[in-house]
Amino acid sequence: GENVEQHPSTLSVQEGDSAVIKCTYSDSASNYFPWYKQELGKGPQLIIDIRSNVGEKKDQRIAVTLNKTAKHFSLHITETQPEDSAVYFCAASTDTGNQFYFGTGTSLTVIP
Amino acid sequence: GAVVSQHPSRVICKSGTSVKIECRSLDFQATTMFWYRQFPKQSLMLMATSNEGSKATYEQGVEKDKFLINHASLTLSTLTVTSAHPEDSSFYICSASVGGREKLFFGSGTQLSVL
Repeated sequence: GENVEQHPSTLSVQEGDSAVIKCTYSDSASNYFPWYKQELGKGPQLIIDIRSNVGEKKDQRIAVTLNKTAKHFSLHITETQPEDSAVYFCAASTDTGNQFYFGTGTSLTVIP
Repeated sequence: GAVVSQHPSRVICKSGTSVKIECRSLDFQATTMFWYRQFPKQSLMLMATSNEGSKATYEQGVEKDKFLINHASLTLSTLTVTSAHPEDSSFYICSASVGGREKLFFGSGTQLSVL
C-alpha cells in the first residue's frame, strides 16, 4: 500500500519568513495530493491540492510543487503570519482507490 | 469548498453509555464517508470507510461492534460508540468525498470524553 512520509514534524519560523514542508510517497499510482491545515480542536481544512499532471500550483501565499519522478511534493508558505500557526498534513490518493493516505503532520509555529 | 457538518463538537459521557456522532454533507452528495480517530499531537487514524447503502469497511484492529457506522443516505453518516469506556476518549473526525475520486472534506470533529 501507499506510504506517505512528512518532514519536519515541527517547524518554527519568524513572521514574514517562508516555511517549507516536504512529503514523499511510495505508490507511483498516486495522482492526487492535497494539503490540510488543522487548528487546535478543529477538523482539517483543505488549503491547496495538486494533481499529477501539474508540477506546481499557487494560491496567494501558498504553493505546492510535485516531482513525480522523485515521488515527493512540498508545501511552501511565503510571508508567514501568526495565523498560519497550525498542524499541516499532506496526503496522497489515487483514482482507483477510495482512500487517502496521510502524512504524520507538521506543527508550524510562526513567531511574531 | 464543500461543507461537512459534524455534531456534537464535544460530548462528555459516563462509562458504559453509548454516544452517537453525526456527519452531514450540506451542499453535496457524499458517496463515501470516512471516520477517523485522532490522539493529541498525532496524525489521523482511519477507522472505517462507509458507502451509502452498504456496510462499512473497518480498518484492521477497529471493533465493528464497538464503533457502529451507518450511512443511510448520501448526506448523512453516523458513528455510534457503544458502551463507551475511558480508553475511547479521543477526537473523532468524519470526512466526505464526492464520487470517491474527488476532494476530501472534513467535519469539525467531536471531542469525546468518557468519565
